[in-house]
Amino acid sequence: DSGVTQTPKHLITATGQRVTLRCSPRSGDLSVYWYQQSLDQGLQFLIQYYNGEERAKGNILERFSAQQFPDLHSELNLSSLELGDSALYFCASSPGGLAGPTDTQYFGPGTRLTVL
Amino acid sequence: GEDVEQSLFLSVREGDSSVINCTYTDSSSTYLYWYKQEPGAGLQLLTYIFSNMDMKQDQRLTVLLNKKDKHLSLRIADTQTGDSAIYFCAEKTGGFKTIFGAGTRLFVKA
Repeated sequence: DSGVTQTPKHLITATGQRVTLRCSPRSGDLSVYWYQQSLDQGLQFLIQYYNGEERAKGNILERFSAQQFPDLHSELNLSSLELGDSALYFCASSPGGLAGPTDTQYFGPGTRLTVL
Repeated sequence: GEDVEQSLFLSVREGDSSVINCTYTDSSSTYLYWYKQEPGAGLQLLTYIFSNMDMKQDQRLTVLLNKKDKHLSLRIADTQTGDSAIYFCAEKTGGFKTIFGAGTRLFVKA
């Protein structure tokens, strides 16, 4: 158990809908990262937050957004969902936001999103 | 650009050694990681090596780093069926981003 929790574990929805995925980082970790894992694209970095502020952006679509709250939990919002958005969404956390050499990421169990 | 490459599949017999290879491009990488992902689970950190080291051993796991060739390998001794999983190589770049490879799926045949 990494100490990172994600809810829900599974989510099934229809095209065009909007969903919110939730992540609670390990106790004491200030950074949260979101990743998308699909069969054809592998593990894709989406976005990183540090202590409430956006720190780095990866291949995140404009239809997707995220935020980190004062209690450090984070939410990933996916809107106007398409079939191709079906994937595993992982959250990871790390202690620091300056991402020093020893700032290792620990992953949650993921949310499996199925868009029908 | 920054990239991490791995072969996609590896199949070994139970009891044999497995060697999973990875190449990376950023010569200023600081840390290199190996993560394991079991079916339906998240990525679990297995081990990491600092870029000024050549080798790190941790029980059945041996990590070898050839910094000149930017080549990293993970050797699993006495591979068991429970080792069947996807193994991700990742590098912490000089710009402090973490770049993941696509993962190597290890099949262990009984």
